[in-house]
Amino acid sequence: GAGVSQSPSNKVTEKGKDVELRCDPISGHTALYWYRQSLGQGLEFLIYFQGNSAPDKSGLPSDRFSAERTGGSVSTLTIQRTQQEDSAVYLCASSFTGTGGNEQFFGPGTRLTVL
Amino acid sequence: QKEVEQDPGPLSVPEGAIVSLNCTYSNSAFQYFMWYRQYSRKGPELLMYTYSSGNKEDGRFTAQVDKSSKYISLFIRDSQPSDSATYLCAMSSSSGGSYIPTFGRGTSLIVHP
Repeated sequence: GAGVSQSPSNKVTEKGKDVELRCDPISGHTALYWYRQSLGQGLEFLIYFQGNSAPDKSGLPSDRFSAERTGGSVSTLTIQRTQQEDSAVYLCASSFTGTGGNEQFFGPGTRLTVL
Repeated sequence: QKEVEQDPGPLSVPEGAIVSLNCTYSNSAFQYFMWYRQYSRKGPELLMYTYSSGNKEDGRFTAQVDKSSKYISLFIRDSQPSDSATYLCAMSSSSGGSYIPTFGRGTSLIVHP
């Protein structure tokens, strides 16, 4: 079946502009995660959605970052007033549940470049 | 000090070598230990998963967890050029009912023919 998809695959924007990144998780997966991966760095957790529960936003680096998940499926990560330090690969993952050891399936990522 | 430490490498080995990849961690609450493989410009994919201490083997891959030393390892036997990738360790606990994993920086592995 289809895996996790993300769009766009690449995004180049100017400093100060807003961007929206989209994630389509695997159908039936209740948990959805957003991560950021900068060059030479590990995955930095941003936000986690589990079913209908309130999202865990503890990883969002500033109030310029927000995310929503509509209908328990598609998620959009929005970065307002982008800065050059926001340049990174943004990865989305989904899992069947959010419990320990439950395999996360990752999308290919969106490569964001802020000029 | 980061919660999970992993040498970024690169680690370069000849084809057929045994590869040892390692991570150390500081949070004794971690119970779930994972290794992900990430090819260039792709998302990570789960290779091995271990709960608590012990060893787990899957084909050419063996994962080891030593909770007393807060040290985990991934061994790759008979390494192949197709194993060339970045290997990320990840670990999680049930803190607050959440199992959000903490990732290491990843080790870049190059297996040359």
